[in-house]
Amino acid sequence: EADIYQTPRYLVIGTGKKITLECSQTMGHDKMYWYQQDPGMELHLIHYSYGVNSTEKGDLSSESTVSRIRTEHFPLTLESARPSHTSQYLCASREDRGNYEQYFGPGTRLTVT
Amino acid sequence: TQLLEQSPQFLSIQEGENLTVYCNSSSVFSSLQWYRQEPGEGPVLLVTVVTGGEVKKLKRLTFQFGDARKDSSLHITAAQPGDTGLYLCAGLPIYNFNKFYFGSGTKLNVKP
Repeated sequence: EADIYQTPRYLVIGTGKKITLECSQTMGHDKMYWYQQDPGMELHLIHYSYGVNSTEKGDLSSESTVSRIRTEHFPLTLESARPSHTSQYLCASREDRGNYEQYFGPGTRLTVT
Repeated sequence: TQLLEQSPQFLSIQEGENLTVYCNSSSVFSSLQWYRQEPGEGPVLLVTVVTGGEVKKLKRLTFQFGDARKDSSLHITAAQPGDTGLYLCAGLPIYNFNKFYFGSGTKLNVKP
């Protein structure tokens, strides 16, 4: 069972608010990822990190930002939420050896009104 | 064009039927993973295949990795309503160990 956690699970917020989605893992993985997914659709990579103090933009352009100050923590921030940001946000971390298995958190369902 | 082409996109079958989902690419992968996702939840890892020609079984699910490590299939025998969900394949290409590339997913609905 994967030890990766996301909070909150659900968030409804008004336009213009600043939000931070939390992601933590206890597996000691260096590589972590944020994906955006509309219900039942494919996953789009928006940010990833190789380790502490490393962040990279993913394949899908996003107005969000991320930080990686500690290995276990990879928060995502939206400075000013808009209705177009409504989506499911999934955090994942990955082994860096062996089969390179990637594990996902339960996701945060964000609705911006 | 996606690196991993997954088919079919939708599948609606009766309980007890068999089905196969395909994941194809022109790229070679060092690792390929299959996930199952339920609505409102994160994807759950089902299996990882790393060796060309490898076959892995998980109860009624059989996973195969192509000999050239460019494609994979998931076969479900005697599908049950509990198998309903979104199935995703994800590959780690040999030229980029930094991120997985995902297929577009197969939405499976098994009717009782």
